[in-house]
Amino acid sequence: QKEVEQNSGPLSVPEGAIASLNCTYSDRVSQSFFWYRQYSGKSPELIMSIYSNGDKEDGRFTAQLNKASQYVSLLIRDSQPSDSATYLCAVFRVRGWGKFQFGAGTQVVVTP
Amino acid sequence: DTEVTQTPKHLVMGMTNKKSLKCEQHMGHRAMYWYKQKAKKPPELMFVYSYEKLSINESVPSRFSPECPNSSLLNLHLHALQPEDSALYLCASSQPGQGAREQYFGPGTRLTVT
Repeated sequence: QKEVEQNSGPLSVPEGAIASLNCTYSDRVSQSFFWYRQYSGKSPELIMSIYSNGDKEDGRFTAQLNKASQYVSLLIRDSQPSDSATYLCAVFRVRGWGKFQFGAGTQVVVTP
Repeated sequence: DTEVTQTPKHLVMGMTNKKSLKCEQHMGHRAMYWYKQKAKKPPELMFVYSYEKLSINESVPSRFSPECPNSSLLNLHLHALQPEDSALYLCASSQPGQGAREQYFGPGTRLTVT
């Protein structure tokens, strides 16, 4: 079982619709969770961080965390063509020194 | 200022060359990271420096040699690389210790080994 799992996609979303991205993780003691957006050929850009169970909203983005189910998600409302990118889920592990574990990423394609 | 800078943007080197990648951050972060990213794959952690001391080496071959001269600078010295080392090399920084650990990435150096 991979430590952090995401559907690779591509996730095709009509412009103006909601994109829903999912991420599951295996290490129960994981503390912090992050979503990065990465355009092709560019570096990852942090868009959301979440540490507590529940929802966190920032503009058109909402992150949802359920530690009991070991599940974190990202919703993108009113999807725009500029949201077309790969979205990486990252989980901060406490074991040992502690480090990020990235999922493989979900490619999102917003179609006009 | 949440900027991490990296130089050069692109680097082409032969297998016998020696080159260095540079990273700089002015966010007051005390943890800095090197990642390697191949096409369509997530970033793979290579090294972590915390308070200018190497704290994680993810079994990276010795042809990659990191250096942290001070809290703002991070270098990656390259020597005798192989074509399979061609990748995007990313630097990131964060605050060390427990608690929030947002990592901010630089733009990366696209390395091609010929």
